[in-house]
Amino acid sequence: QKEVEQDPGPLSVPEGAIVSLNCTYSNSAFQYFMWYRQYSRKGPELLMYTYSSGNKEDGRFTAQVDKSSKYISLFIRDSQPSDSATYLCAMSVNTGNQFYFGTGTSLTVIP
Amino acid sequence: GAVVSQHPSRVICKSGTSVKIECRSLDFQATTMFWYRQFPKQSLMLMATSNEGSKATYEQGVEKDKFLINHASLTLSTLTVTSAHPEDSSFYICSARDGGKGSGELFFGEGSRLTVL
Repeated sequence: QKEVEQDPGPLSVPEGAIVSLNCTYSNSAFQYFMWYRQYSRKGPELLMYTYSSGNKEDGRFTAQVDKSSKYISLFIRDSQPSDSATYLCAMSVNTGNQFYFGTGTSLTVIP
Repeated sequence: GAVVSQHPSRVICKSGTSVKIECRSLDFQATTMFWYRQFPKQSLMLMATSNEGSKATYEQGVEKDKFLINHASLTLSTLTVTSAHPEDSSFYICSARDGGKGSGELFFGEGSRLTVL
């Protein structure tokens, strides 16, 4: 079983839709959770960073962590064509350890 | 946010030559940097963990003599692909943790696309 599972998609939504991206994980020791956005042929860009459980909001983006279910989500409100990218989730046990990545979900927002 | 710079962004070389890729943390010190390889439409594959002042730790299946990693300072790590072959063509990405903040956020470079002819 992989440490982190993420549906690769592709996911296609109309402009203005609410997008929900998800990852599940198996290691209950994970405490640090990140979401990255990666445009084609570019390095991943950090979007959201969450420690432990709870919600975090930044503009149109909301990250949720449910440690009891080992499930994290990224919501994008009022999606824009510029949001079209691959979204990667990542997590780690502590600040000194490596991160474990999901495979990424490809998102296309149609104008 | 913190910036990690990677250079060159694109390199084309002949088979048998060596290529060096640099990864720099521009506004923070990084005792640990990570090197990844990414194939088209696939996720990041961790190759090695680079520790300042000590030997890199390689993931299983990654040839350490093929992919030489040097982390000579707190802001610079280099990956050298030695005697490159066409199968080494890939997108290489580095990342670094902002350990000074304590929160350990992981930031990525822009990536380097290597094409071996």
